[in-house]
Amino acid sequence: GENVEQHPSTLSVQEGDSAVIKCTYSDSASNYFPWYKQELGKRPQLIIDIRSNVGEKKDQRIAVTLNKTAKHFSLHITETQPEDSAVYFCAASRANDYKLSFGAGTTVTVRA
Amino acid sequence: DTAVSQTPKYLVTQMGNDKSIKCEQNLGHDTMYWYKQDSKKFLKIMFSYNNKELIINETVPNRFSPKSPDKAHLNLHINSLELGDSAVYFCASSQGGWTSKQYFGPGTRLTVT
Repeated sequence: GENVEQHPSTLSVQEGDSAVIKCTYSDSASNYFPWYKQELGKRPQLIIDIRSNVGEKKDQRIAVTLNKTAKHFSLHITETQPEDSAVYFCAASRANDYKLSFGAGTTVTVRA
Repeated sequence: DTAVSQTPKYLVTQMGNDKSIKCEQNLGHDTMYWYKQDSKKFLKIMFSYNNKELIINETVPNRFSPKSPDKAHLNLHINSLELGDSAVYFCASSQGGWTSKQYFGPGTRLTVT
């Protein structure tokens, strides 16, 4: 089955700097890659997703890039703010497989 | 106007007991899920239902039995609780399966003593 690896496990950045989280996946048939943000004690919430027919997607300060050849995708957060502090999960799935595989999560701390 | 709700929010019980967690969504979605998040924050799919039919059972012990009385509800019953069952259980829903945005419930923190 699909195996998603996520790095780093923890990330501390100064407010205003950028944060980058990287994930690799094993199944070349995977074609959907969402990112979820989970604040402390809260539920995971989708922040951005990308499908395999697109190489990059942006939403304000958040962007995701996908390299299908290398089987990795990344989350980029620019101009980080204290409210960006959370655990971020990447995930991968393929159509008709009904299985979303999550990475182990990255705890991001934004220092004021 | 809560989209996905779960009850109870906290559940403390002893080993060997049987307990249930309830989930309801008012989004009109056709697919619902149960996830387990352990102490290391790892999120793992347990079950998925589409139009009240079980489509994923991810090697979960048969002490766990999901039930979907209708498309808006997915309950989780756990028999003979064990210490290792302690975790946060999240219900989620989506329209159309895995490649659609999933909406999570607030979670149920289960503690088995």
